[in-house]
Amino acid sequence: AQSVTQPDIHITVSEGASLELRCNYSYGATPYLFWYVQSPGQGLQLLLKYFSGDTLVQGIKGFEAEFKRSQSSFNLRKPSVHWSDAAEYFCAVGDNFNKFYFGSGTKLNVKP
Amino acid sequence: DVKVTQSSRYLVKRTGEKVFLECVQDMDHENMFWYRQDPGLGLRLIYFSYDVKMKEKGDIPEGYSVSREKKERFSLILESASTNQTSMYLCASCLTSAAGELFFGEGSRLTVL
Repeated sequence: AQSVTQPDIHITVSEGASLELRCNYSYGATPYLFWYVQSPGQGLQLLLKYFSGDTLVQGIKGFEAEFKRSQSSFNLRKPSVHWSDAAEYFCAVGDNFNKFYFGSGTKLNVKP
Repeated sequence: DVKVTQSSRYLVKRTGEKVFLECVQDMDHENMFWYRQDPGLGLRLIYFSYDVKMKEKGDIPEGYSVSREKKERFSLILESASTNQTSMYLCASCLTSAAGELFFGEGSRLTVL
């Protein structure tokens, strides 16, 4: 069965430090992969997506993610975190039938 | 700009009441979804619809029903609300295509007393 694991529930980083949020998935075919961000009290906004091709994808707000098929991972990175990046981040897998499977989320705190 | 609108941001209802959560999208998307979000559990799919009057159960449909009479509108119905349905409810839509991305509404936070 398809599943998405985000092993870190909470992460705290200092402003200006680099960030990596982990995501591992279980899916039988080539996955469609997404990262979404949710600010407090808001819906989810798409940060970036991977469908095919270059395994390093660029998204909005300076985020990027790398698809590693051998590790079944799609980790999200940012070289320098800003205080406004504090939010909850969700990794998701989509299939060919428009079904989506979400991880449990990682809450990011940013220290001044 | 694409938009998914959920009619109520915050609701407070009593146990046993019937609750309607409305969602409208203006993108002509075929697929619409209702998710429930609880801390530590991520998003869990309640129901989705791939066409007008068509629906399929998601992972946690018990206690819920849905209605899709028009393409742009997808309603979630709690026939008799219970306290364990206190949650954040998120509506989303996407095109029918491989790798279509989901567009989300801002969410409806329901409290059942």
